Amino acid sequence: DVKVTQSSRYLVKRTGEKVFLECVQDMDHENMFWYRQDPGLGLRLIYFSYDVKMKEKGDIPEGYSVSREKKERFSLILESASTNQTSMYLCASSSGTGVYNEQFFGPGTRLTVL
Amino acid sequence: AQKITQTQPGMFVQEKEAVTLDCTYDTSDPSYGLFWYKQPSSGEMIFLIYQGSYDQQNATEGRYSLNFQKARKSANLVISASQLGDSAMYFCAMREVNRDDKIIFGKGTRLHILP
Repeated sequence: DVKVTQSSRYLVKRTGEKVFLECVQDMDHENMFWYRQDPGLGLRLIYFSYDVKMKEKGDIPEGYSVSREKKERFSLILESASTNQTSMYLCASSSGTGVYNEQFFGPGTRLTVL
Repeated sequence: AQKITQTQPGMFVQEKEAVTLDCTYDTSDPSYGLFWYKQPSSGEMIFLIYQGSYDQQNATEGRYSLNFQKARKSANLVISASQLGDSAMYFCAMREVNRDDKIIFGKGTRLHILP
């Protein structure tokens, strides 16, 4: 069974803290993605990666960075968390090229920044 | 401009009725794929159905079907015989081949099934 896991379901951090959100997939997928989901805004792409050590900016990369040292792991980093980064964060992976490559999602991390 | 438009922020439907969730898209790419995902209150995104731009027939998966009208750039999701467990957020999404593997999501429709 395909699986994408995220390190935490719920996380509470303080303003200014460095925050790491971890995502691991066991499907040997090349592509991995980080989204944030906010009410009324749908899913917005933060960063994505097509391969180890590669990263591409999505639509809203400001305030975030990512790391992909191993194929199965994609980390989202908030260098200095701010209250406007309170959101649901979803990680996804997909196998590669072609139009029909559905993204498999993790369960999400609901981050609250106080 | 929005690439994926879901005009219904919320819908209430009686159990056992059919429901149609609207989705229109905007692309100039001849090759693209359209997806529908379901997100229950637990938060996980569940892939429901896919339609390719060159597919001649509308996609179907169990109680889900996709009403694909290419000329109108419309990809509505139809759920037949709705069940209480269908209550969830539903997202329409599109991948354009020339935009590599990124998927663009709509803002979603929250569906409530009433007993």
